[in-house]
Amino acid sequence: AQSVTQLDSHVSVSEGTPVLLRCNYSSSYSPSLFWYVQHPNKGLQLLLKYTSAATLVKGINGFEAEFKKSETSFHLTKPSAHMSDAAEYFCVVSDWRDDKIIFGKGTRLHILP
Amino acid sequence: GAVVSQHPSWVICKSGTSVKIECRSLDFQATTMFWYRQFPKQSLMLMATSNEGSKATYEQGVEKDKFLINHASLTLSTLTVTSAHPEDSSFYICSATGSGTDTQYFGPGTRLTVL
Repeated sequence: AQSVTQLDSHVSVSEGTPVLLRCNYSSSYSPSLFWYVQHPNKGLQLLLKYTSAATLVKGINGFEAEFKKSETSFHLTKPSAHMSDAAEYFCVVSDWRDDKIIFGKGTRLHILP
Repeated sequence: GAVVSQHPSWVICKSGTSVKIECRSLDFQATTMFWYRQFPKQSLMLMATSNEGSKATYEQGVEKDKFLINHASLTLSTLTVTSAHPEDSSFYICSATGSGTDTQYFGPGTRLTVL
């Protein structure tokens, strides 16, 4: 069975400082892992995706995530936060064989001026 | 590429009426479409998965007679909320995947308010 845990429901950082949004997963197989961003009253936008190629995945808007199998983690990072990054972020795990997609509960990122 | 649209973006209806929400993949063929429901400040809850030309597979606890899903073509799926009640008010989001990929592309969502 698959599961995904986003360790922080809220994260606050100052503009210009690094961002770290944590995600741990469990999966019986080799999963695909995703990060999506949702701005208020909007749909979800794909930030990046891991599919067993390079463990460090670069996404849009300067975000990247590193897949660490030993730690079953897929944390999202950005070197320097921007005000426009304020949104809800979802970590997602998916597997072809289960035909299931599991969402984390989301992390609300607040950017302080 | 991989754009998914939803229509309408918001709808207000009276209790007891039915509402249809459309989900379209604009530039790819969506072999599978998903319907989600999202309550305020919560994560997405998968309601059902539909493959083109097949009956939708509903998640446990989702009433199939209440939430009718039709996936008649490779670019269109519809969700009809029948006899809507205020507790059905929510943000409904669809997503779609193409053949050979498990990446879901999401629509912008539909805000349903039932009075």
